[in-house]
Amino acid sequence: DSGVTQTPKHLITATGQRVTLRCSPRSGDLSVYWYQQSLDQGLQFLIQYYNGEERAKGNILERFSAQQFPDLHSELNLSSLELGDSALYFCASSVEPGSGELFFGEGSRLTVL
Amino acid sequence: GDSVTQMEGPVTLSEEAFLTINCTYTATGYPSLFWYVQYPGEGLQLLLKATKADDKGSNKGFEATYRKETTSFHLEKGSVQVSDSAVYFCALSETNTGNQFYFGTGTSLTVIP
Repeated sequence: DSGVTQTPKHLITATGQRVTLRCSPRSGDLSVYWYQQSLDQGLQFLIQYYNGEERAKGNILERFSAQQFPDLHSELNLSSLELGDSALYFCASSVEPGSGELFFGEGSRLTVL
Repeated sequence: GDSVTQMEGPVTLSEEAFLTINCTYTATGYPSLFWYVQYPGEGLQLLLKATKADDKGSNKGFEATYRKETTSFHLEKGSVQVSDSAVYFCALSETNTGNQFYFGTGTSLTVIP
């Protein structure tokens, strides 16, 4: 158990819909990362937050947004969903950027029909 | 920019065979290098790491040596077990790029009895 909690574990929805994925980092970790894992594109970095502030952006679509709340949990919002958004979405946390290790949650599997 | 290239999979080995998974990297500075492992149905977890040239990371019988001259961090294990079946990801992180983690595409390993 990494200490990173993601909900929901599985989600099935239709094209055009909006979903929210939630992540609670390990106790004491200030930095949260979101990754998308799909079969054909591997592990893609989406966005990083540190202590409530956006720190870095990767290949995140404009239809996607995220935030980190004062209690350090984070939410990833995916809207106007397309079939191609079906993937496993991972959250990871670390004490701070550069601390040398990411701790990953078990992921949220999104299926868009 | 920074990137990681690892050998294509899938890899299938018999139990007790020798394993090598190649990983090379491109970085602007002096990155830390990592191997993460993802067991079926789970998130990624750190397997081993090395933070400077010539360092050797090791864990659970796996080893990798940070080779600056060849920009490589190949993963090896002398005798694989069925329980080693998983997807292995090479990754780097460096302060020059804000401590972002860059992951390879992953190499799937199946060990057969």
